[in-house]
Formats: sequence, structure tokens, C-alpha cells
Amino acid sequence: NAGVTQTPKFRILKIGQSMTLQCTQDMNHNYMYWYRQDPGMGLKLIYYSVGAGITDKGEVPNGYNVSRSTTEDFPLRLELAAPSQTSVYFCASSYELTSSYEQYFGPGTRLTVT
Amino acid sequence: DAKTTQPTSMDCAEGRAANLPCNHSTISGNEYVYWYRQIHSQGPQYIIHGLKNNETNEMASLIITEDRKSSTLILPHATLRDTAVYYCIVSPGANSKLTFGKGITLSVRP
Repeated sequence: NAGVTQTPKFRILKIGQSMTLQCTQDMNHNYMYWYRQDPGMGLKLIYYSVGAGITDKGEVPNGYNVSRSTTEDFPLRLELAAPSQTSVYFCASSYELTSSYEQYFGPGTRLTVT
Repeated sequence: DAKTTQPTSMDCAEGRAANLPCNHSTISGNEYVYWYRQIHSQGPQYIIHGLKNNETNEMASLIITEDRKSSTLILPHATLRDTAVYYCIVSPGANSKLTFGKGITLSVRP
């Protein structure tokens, strides 16, 4: 299994541009999450999904949109990039089973908005 | 606001035990204590979790005080590869939304 994969690894955007961060997992996990991590800080939850077709806001959703059309994919969309969105973005997934407590994280996408 | 407090940093010698403390004085009865670590800005990695009892797995041991207001993560024989930021998180059950604080930076010295 590849686990959680994210593309691209790095990206530089100009203010006002748009882009989609891709996240795919091959573990058949129902739950998926998007976090952002600013320099020297912990991770903050942007959006999460409990299954295909179901998404909900996390702690810092403004400026982002998500969709979940399949179990495997959970893309994050930035419509009008702003310098405040310069960050490292991590996608994660976990099992639905109540006995599972581990979130599996991808390697991250490093985004710079100038 | 983070529900946990951790020292900013600590170090230990390679081969010795690393004891990482965490305070969570406002933890609720249904909240678990999780530990994750992040190496070189990679994605966080799950280490261990617990509710009331002490727990041990192949990576570490988790000691939770009887009043559940604090806990200690123990890496029994730290190696240079254990140098990382360690996050202590409290959160209800499985598939819960995790809130990461700044964590504690562990430096393992040769």
C-alpha cells in the first residue's frame, strides 16, 4: 500500500491564483482530513470528511473548499490564494471502526503565496 | 486553545530513556490521550494512545496518572532517529478531530 499520497510536493502561487491540492489514500479509509501547519506551529484542521459525499468544516475553513466524490480522493481547493495561506498542508485518513485510533498522514504539500 | 501543555524542548543521550511529560488538567472522562511525532517536517506519525490504563507498544510506553491530569511518554532506548517534535493531544475516541499544539522538541544526542 502507498498509504496517503499528496501532490504536488511544492508549489508557488501568485496572489489571487487558484489551485487544487490532491490527496489519495489506498487503505479504504472512510475518514479523511486536511490540516495546515504554519512555521513553528502545530497542525490546524481545515476540513474533514466521514465518507464519500459528506464533508464538514474544521477549525480554519475560510478560503478553502473540499469535495469527496470517492472514498479514495479528498482534494482541497484554494480559489483566491492569499499570503496568509502560505503553509504546509497535510492530508490524513483513518478507519471508521470504533477500535481504530490512528490517523495516517501524507508527506505534505509546501505552498508559498507571493 | 490547546488542551495540553508541554515543555518547549528537552534532550537526552542516545540509548537512554526519554521521558516526555504532558499536562492535561481539564481532560474529560471520555477523552483519550494521544501521542504523535513529526520528524523533519514530515507528516505526523501516530505513536500510542490511552484512556486510563498505562499502555505499551513496540514504539513507546504511556503512563497516565490516576487522576488523568497528566501523562508521560517513555521512549525506553532513544536513538538519533527519535529526534522529532512530539505532540500530546487529548480528544474523544476514534476518528476524532485532533488539535495539535506546538509540541515538545526532543533532541537525542550521540
